[in-house]
Order: sequence, then structure tokens, then C-alpha cells
Amino acid sequence: EVQLLESGGGLIQPGGSLRLSCAASGFTFSSYAMSWVRQAPGKGLEWVSAISGSGGTTYYADSVKGRFTISRDNSKNTLYLQMNSLRAEDTAVYYCAKDSGYCSSTSCYFYFDFWGQGTLVTVSS
Amino acid sequence: DIQMTQSPSTLSASVGDRVTITCRASQSISSWLAWYQQKAGKAPKLLIYKASSLESGVPSRFSGSGSGTEFTLTISSLQPDDFATYYCQQYNSPWTFGQGTKVEIK
Repeated sequence: EVQLLESGGGLIQPGGSLRLSCAASGFTFSSYAMSWVRQAPGKGLEWVSAISGSGGTTYYADSVKGRFTISRDNSKNTLYLQMNSLRAEDTAVYYCAKDSGYCSSTSCYFYFDFWGQGTLVTVSS
Repeated sequence: DIQMTQSPSTLSASVGDRVTITCRASQSISSWLAWYQQKAGKAPKLLIYKASSLESGVPSRFSGSGSGTEFTLTISSLQPDDFATYYCQQYNSPWTFGQGTKVEIK
């Protein structure tokens, strides 16, 4: 059974940093790309970042580029999201998601077939 | 980036009704479209991928259709467990979601 368990959320002041973790089990972690998707309170879903199975390729939404860093440790079956220079608009539930699909030479085609339960990040003074 | 527009934003329906939700892409996405169901306080759940492929374990009353820029999610006979918010997602990177359609009890 696929399980994804996020941790690391909390209350942080604007300009601060936080690292989220997602522990994965029930599948061959290194074989799959993974993503972070967030949802601001009462709002819709926003894809944040993705990483290839090897960790060698990363993707970011424009809204977080230069501030967030996605990484993974395949020996620990764990996905990370390092969030720096946090802003009030980053307040959201952050979900990790297992990607299903493939990459061609020009684009990646991923949908999200399993999701964690989410961890809440609140950016406020 | 490709913009996804869902309609309606809210839909009031009764148990047993046939329900259709539309999702339009700002440019052609072929069949690179998924649908998710989200209940309050829970993570989204994959229903449909590649526009019309039913995810394993999802009831057959859910179906998807369309290609290019216009897509639909249909629930053939609405059940009590189906009252939730539904999102479409195009998955030709970068990945974007529609704004959601809340299906509520009439």
C-alpha cells in the first residue's frame, strides 16, 4: 500500500525558512518522480515543484522559483522541500504527491496518483 | 502557462442526478488531463487520467471525455459519497489545475 507522510509544517515569520519532509513507503521510491502541491486556505490546488526519480532534474512554479528547493534521499525514501524567504502568500497545506507518467525529450507528462495527508505551513508575524 | 477554467464553480444536485463538469484549457493539451475529487479536510483523490481512463478502484459512474481544449467529467448517478469538490489538472508541464467545482446537496 502506497503511503506518503508529510511533516515539518508550522508557524513561521515572514522571511523565515522551513523544511518539509515526506516519508514514502509501499512503492519503489527511486523509480518515480515526486511533486509538492499546495492549497491555500479555502482556495484551489497549486503545483509547486517536482523532481525526477534520480533527483537529477527539478521543476518549479514561477511563484517559488529561487526561494524553494526540492530534493530527495532515495536511500531514506524521503522527499524534501526547503522553503526560504517565506511570504504570507505561501501559507497553505502542502501535499506531497507521487507522480505517474513520463518525460519526453521536451516535456514531462505527470499526473498525481497518490497524495499524502498534507502539512500546514502558516507564515505570519 | 496553460490556464484551466472549470464550470460551473458550484453545482447543486440531488442523489441520483446525472452531473457534468466542464474544464477548458487555454491551448490544446491533447488528452493530458486528469480529474481529482477532494473532500473537506482531505487530500485529493485521482479519478480519471489521460482524459478518459478510469483510475483503478474508482466507481464506474465516473467517466471523462474530451481532447484538445474541452473536457468533461460526468457522474452518471450522483451518490451521497460524491458530494465534494472536483478539480481538473492539465499535465503538460508546468502543471496547472482548474479552480474547482463544488458539488453540493440541492
